[in-house]
Amino acid sequence: EAQVTQNPRYLITVTGKKLTVTCSQNMNHEYMSWYRQDPGLGLRQIYYSMNVEVTDKGDVPEGYKVSRKEKRNFPLILESPSPNQTSLYFCASSRGQGWRGGVGYEQYFGPGTRLTVT
Amino acid sequence: GIQVEQSPPDLILQEGANSTLRCNFSDSVNNLQWFHQNPWGQLINLFYIPSGTKQNGRLSATTVATERYSLLYISSSQTTDSGVYFCAVVDFGNEKLTFGTGTRLTIIP
Repeated sequence: EAQVTQNPRYLITVTGKKLTVTCSQNMNHEYMSWYRQDPGLGLRQIYYSMNVEVTDKGDVPEGYKVSRKEKRNFPLILESPSPNQTSLYFCASSRGQGWRGGVGYEQYFGPGTRLTVT
Repeated sequence: GIQVEQSPPDLILQEGANSTLRCNFSDSVNNLQWFHQNPWGQLINLFYIPSGTKQNGRLSATTVATERYSLLYISSSQTTDSGVYFCAVVDFGNEKLTFGTGTRLTIIP
């Protein structure tokens, strides 16, 4: 089954404790991205990647890191989480031909990760 | 940047009713998608529809790109249709989906 998976689905952690949220897709997509969703602010892009070893900042990159060492994986790293990073996080992917490396194509979202930082 | 507005913001309907959700966008787009966010927070792809009309069961969507709007039709609503419906677009020169403000749909048994 074609899908985007994220782990963990739920996480409660404390301020300053490094964490990684994994994202994997099995559709051989080149384009991947991370979003966060907050009440009243909607979904905002954190980082995106057009291909392996190619990443770039989205609208709200502060406090986050990403890496793209393999085409299928795009982990989101919070080096020192803070309470303002409490949010619902989504990973997304799309195929990478044509417009802007794939952003113009249908994007598929993972199930989301609910992160609480206390 | 591009503005994406959805209407109505909230909609409460009896089971079995039909509804039309609207998405207006302020600039030409390369991609338009409709999503359903269920009560558990998952974003479900409904349609990829930069232009034209598509149907999938009780749901259908139409995008008139030249007039910068899209419509999502839900017929014979069921309680499982409850949730928030988002349209999202990619405008030329951008690298991300820009989401609309959403329509919260509540279907009452």
